[in-house]
Amino acid sequence: GENVEQHPSTLSVQEGDSAVIKCTYSDSASNYFPWYKQELGKRPQLIIDIRSNVGEKKDQRIAVTLNKTAKHFSLHITETQPEDSAVYFCAANRGNTPLVFGKGTRLSVIA
Amino acid sequence: KAGVTQTPRYLIKTRGQQVTLSCSPISGHRSVSWYQQTPGQGLQFLFEYFSETQRNKGNFPGRFSGRQFSNSRSEMNVSTLELGDSALYLCASSLLEQTQYFGPGTRLLVL
Repeated sequence: GENVEQHPSTLSVQEGDSAVIKCTYSDSASNYFPWYKQELGKRPQLIIDIRSNVGEKKDQRIAVTLNKTAKHFSLHITETQPEDSAVYFCAANRGNTPLVFGKGTRLSVIA
Repeated sequence: KAGVTQTPRYLIKTRGQQVTLSCSPISGHRSVSWYQQTPGQGLQFLFEYFSETQRNKGNFPGRFSGRQFSNSRSEMNVSTLELGDSALYLCASSLLEQTQYFGPGTRLLVL
């Protein structure tokens, strides 16, 4: 089955700097890659997703890139703000198979 | 549209008891997935229901079960509770294939 590895597990950046979180997946047939943000005590919220027919997707300060050959995808957050502090999860699946999540990255943005 | 709702939000049980959790998906969503979230294991998939049928099942013991009703509301049941079942139980609903939206979760504490 699918296995998703996520790095780093913790990340601290200065406000205004960029943050990058990387995930690798094992199933070459996976075709859907969402990213979720979970603030303390809150539900995971979908912030961006990408499908395998696209190499990059942007939404304001957030972007996701996908390298199908290397089987990895990354989340890029530019101009980080204190409200970006949260745990971020990547996930992958194909078709109707269950989403498999990475273990999460705790991002701290230091003002 | 109202988001995914879960009841109860908090629950305290003792070992050996059973518990039933409820999830109401976003209106029109027919798929409901359940996850267990713990600090050490991250988000682990329990099962998914679609149109009242279990479509996928994770690697959890038979003490964990679920069902879905004709209005797409779903329940999960855990029998003979163990201390290790203490966790945040999240459900997520989806309309289109793959894109999932999470509820706020039920925090279960087993004493």
